[in-house]
Amino acid sequence: AQTVTQSQPEMSVQEAETVTLSCTYDTSESNYYLFWYKQPPSRQMILVIRQEAYKQQNATENRFSVNFQKAAKSFSLKISDSQLGDTAMYFCAFNTDKLIFGTGTRLQVFP
Amino acid sequence: NAGVTQTPKFRVLKTGQSMTLLCAQDMNHEYMYWYRQDPGMGLRLIHYSVGEGTTAKGEVPDGYNVSRLKKQNFLLGLESAAPSQTSVYFCASSSRQVNQPQHFGDGTRLSIL
Repeated sequence: AQTVTQSQPEMSVQEAETVTLSCTYDTSESNYYLFWYKQPPSRQMILVIRQEAYKQQNATENRFSVNFQKAAKSFSLKISDSQLGDTAMYFCAFNTDKLIFGTGTRLQVFP
Repeated sequence: NAGVTQTPKFRVLKTGQSMTLLCAQDMNHEYMYWYRQDPGMGLRLIHYSVGEGTTAKGEVPDGYNVSRLKKQNFLLGLESAAPSQTSVYFCASSSRQVNQPQHFGDGTRLSIL
């Protein structure tokens, strides 16, 4: 079975600091894609970053970057210079023919 | 830019009532999905469609039916609502390529009393 595990139900970080959210997954597929989605209190699902499994280079989008370790099946999200607007639920997901989500990490950024 | 639009945004039903949730997308996407989101469980796939006239079961399909009569619309039906179906429902759409992200609607909060 394909699964995604986010082992940190909640995390907090002070504004301007760096935080890393963990994600591991299990699949027998060799070609897949990984995503991080953000869900703020407004309930919207917003794409943060994506990573193709065949690419060794870690994806970066402004303050957001990933540490993709394919052999370990690990896909963590690093948020640099945290802002109050980063407060949200963060979901890790991977896609083969269907998108499989983790259970999410609730991130609180405080002043 | 409408993207993915879900109707309604909120609904309260009594046990045994039926209703249909509507999802519409204006991005000409082939694939459409229905998820439910429950506390502590992330998003779980109910049904999905890879094209007009086709549907398939996801992880939690029981108690739901879907139809995709038009490419831009994906309907989720509850024939006889149960309290266990109280949840937030999300519709999403994507292009055919698996490297493309899904675009989500704003969700429908459904309460079954």
